[in-house]
Amino acid sequence: ETGVTQSPTHLIKTRGQQVTLRCSSQSGHNTVSWYQQALGQGPQFIFQYYREEENGRGNFPPRFSGLQFPNYSSELNVNALELDDSALYLCASRLSVSGGEPKNIQYFGAGTRLSVL
Amino acid sequence: KNQVEQSPQSLIILEGKNCTLQCNYTVSPFSNLRWYKQDTGRGPVSLTIMTFSENTKSNGRYTATLDADTKQSSLHITASQLSDSASYICVVSEGGGFKTIFGAGTRLFVKA
Repeated sequence: ETGVTQSPTHLIKTRGQQVTLRCSSQSGHNTVSWYQQALGQGPQFIFQYYREEENGRGNFPPRFSGLQFPNYSSELNVNALELDDSALYLCASRLSVSGGEPKNIQYFGAGTRLSVL
Repeated sequence: KNQVEQSPQSLIILEGKNCTLQCNYTVSPFSNLRWYKQDTGRGPVSLTIMTFSENTKSNGRYTATLDADTKQSSLHITASQLSDSASYICVVSEGGGFKTIFGAGTRLFVKA
């Protein structure tokens, strides 16, 4: 077990709906990153939060947004769902001094499998 | 464009045999390279992490190598076990920032 928990494990939504995915970081970790992993592909970086602020973002549209709370848990919100949003969404946490590049180990959750119909 | 390419895409080996997985990258500037193991339906688990100055790192039966000049890395698995069946993902971090680029992974099947 990595100490990173994600909920729900599976989710089915329809096109146009909104979804919120949740992540509880490993205790003491102040940095959380979210990734989208399509079937058979490697994870794609969505964004990263460090001490409650977004400090990095990949090539994802603004309808992908997030939050990090004072206890360092995190949410990923996706609005106006599209069929291509169907994927495994992974959350990873780590302890960072400055929120910069991940020189230390990231611990991943098991992911949330989102299906958009 | 920063990229990470892995080969082979998939591999089948017999239990007890060794295998080597390859990772080529074009990420620049380079910060570090990590290998992860991802079991089906689970999140990736870190195996090794190497910075520019490190050219080999071991974790049990897993040994990773890094050639920063040719921008190549390999993951060698010794005496494979059935539980080694998984996807192995190479991840390269960009220096000076937080951007990480994941390879598509190599799917390893270990057969009895």
